[in-house]
Amino acid sequence: GAVVSQHPSWVICKSGTSVKIECRSLDFQATTMFWYRQFPKQSLMLMATSNEGSKATYEQGVEKDKFLINHASLTLSTLTVTSAHPEDSSFYICSAAAASGSYNEQFFGPGTRLTVL
Amino acid sequence: DAKTTQPPSMDCAEGRAANLPCNHSTISGNEYVYWYRQIHSQGPQYIIHGLKNNETNEMASLIITEDRKSSTLILPHATLRDTAVYYCIVRDNTDKLIFGTGTRLQVFP
Repeated sequence: GAVVSQHPSWVICKSGTSVKIECRSLDFQATTMFWYRQFPKQSLMLMATSNEGSKATYEQGVEKDKFLINHASLTLSTLTVTSAHPEDSSFYICSAAAASGSYNEQFFGPGTRLTVL
Repeated sequence: DAKTTQPPSMDCAEGRAANLPCNHSTISGNEYVYWYRQIHSQGPQYIIHGLKNNETNEMASLIITEDRKSSTLILPHATLRDTAVYYCIVRDNTDKLIFGTGTRLQVFP
C-alpha cells in the first residue's frame, strides 16, 4: 500500500512556542490531506481538510489561527501548532488521499506525539 | 458525528474467528462502509470497505446486511497482532472519515 510519513514522530516543547509537523506521501500524489488529533483513550477527531494549493477547511471548533495548515505540494502538508499550551498535548495524525471523491482509501501516517510542558 | 455504533470491547481466542459488528441504521444509498484499525500509538490502518456486496481481501471479510443497516467485519483466524481498536466508518462522497469510538478487540492466547 501507499506510504505516508510524519516528522517528527514525537516532540516536546515549552509552552508558548510553535511546533511544525510534516506529513508526506512518499509514493503517490495526494490532492487531499487530512489532519486529526487524538487524546489518550479517545477516538480520532478530524481537525481539517487540506487541498493542495488552496486554503484548508477546518472542522467546527478548530481554531484556524492556532493550527496553521499548509499544503504547498502534492506530497507535503504541514501543521503548525502556534503558541502551544499544555492542553495542545496530543497525538496528531495525518492522512492522504489520492483523489477527492473517488472513494480511494485514505492512507494514514504513523502520528506525531506532541507534549507541551 | 459518527454514523455508526459499535460495542466498546470484545475478546477473541487466538486462532478463532473474530466477528466485529457495526450498526449504521441511517446509512444512505451512496455511502460506503469502511473499516480501519489502530494498533496502540500508531496511525490507523485500512482494512476493507464495501457498498452493499460482501467483500473479502487478504486481511478480512466484510458482510453487509441486505438492508445495509449493519455489517460485520470478520477476521477469520485472529492472532495476537490483531489486538487493536477497530473502527467502522460510514463514508460519504466528501472523502471525510468521521471516527466513532470503535471496538477494542483483545486477542488472547
